[in-house]
Amino acid sequence: DSGVTQTPKHLITATGQRVTLRCSPRSGDLSVYWYQQSLDQGLQFLIQYYNGEERAKGNILERFSAQQFPDLHSELNLSSLELGDSALYFCASSVQGGSNQPQHFGDGTRLSIL
Amino acid sequence: AQSVTQLDSHVSVSEGTPVLLRCNYSSSYSPSLFWYVQHPNKGLQLLLKYTSAATLVKGINGFEAEFKKSETSFHLTKPSAHMSDAAEYFCVVSDPGNYGGSQGNLIFGKGTKLSVKP
Repeated sequence: DSGVTQTPKHLITATGQRVTLRCSPRSGDLSVYWYQQSLDQGLQFLIQYYNGEERAKGNILERFSAQQFPDLHSELNLSSLELGDSALYFCASSVQGGSNQPQHFGDGTRLSIL
Repeated sequence: AQSVTQLDSHVSVSEGTPVLLRCNYSSSYSPSLFWYVQHPNKGLQLLLKYTSAATLVKGINGFEAEFKKSETSFHLTKPSAHMSDAAEYFCVVSDPGNYGGSQGNLIFGKGTKLSVKP
């Protein structure tokens, strides 16, 4: 058990809809990362937050947004969903967010768009 | 820019024989390198990390990796494979970004699927 909790585990919805994925980091970790895993793109970094502030952005679409709350949990919002958004979305956390710190991953949320 | 290349998409070994999963990296900085493992329908588990201390890094479950700067390689090895090692393995480099190393988003290789035959 990594200590990172993601909910829900599975999400099935239709094109055009909006969903929210939730992540609770390990106790004591200040930085949260979101990644997308798909068959064609592999694992890609989306966005990083540190202590409530956005720190880095990767290949995140404009239809996607995220935030980190004062209690350090994070939410990833995906809107105007398309078939291609079907993927496994992972949240990871680390203590300070530095490049030499290992990240601990949740079990992911599997999003299926019908 | 940072990148990693995993040289084999699939490796098959027999139980009890050595495992070698190959990874080459490209980095403008002194890199932080990791190996992660993903079992089916599971999240990613950290096996080991290299952050410029010892070049031979020992990880969990008997895995180790050697950082070779001259070859820009970070291959993962295990002396004797177990059936439970069957999984997908990712070589990963960390991007220090523009915050003096405090960014740290991970850049993943495409993965190597390890099969272990009885």
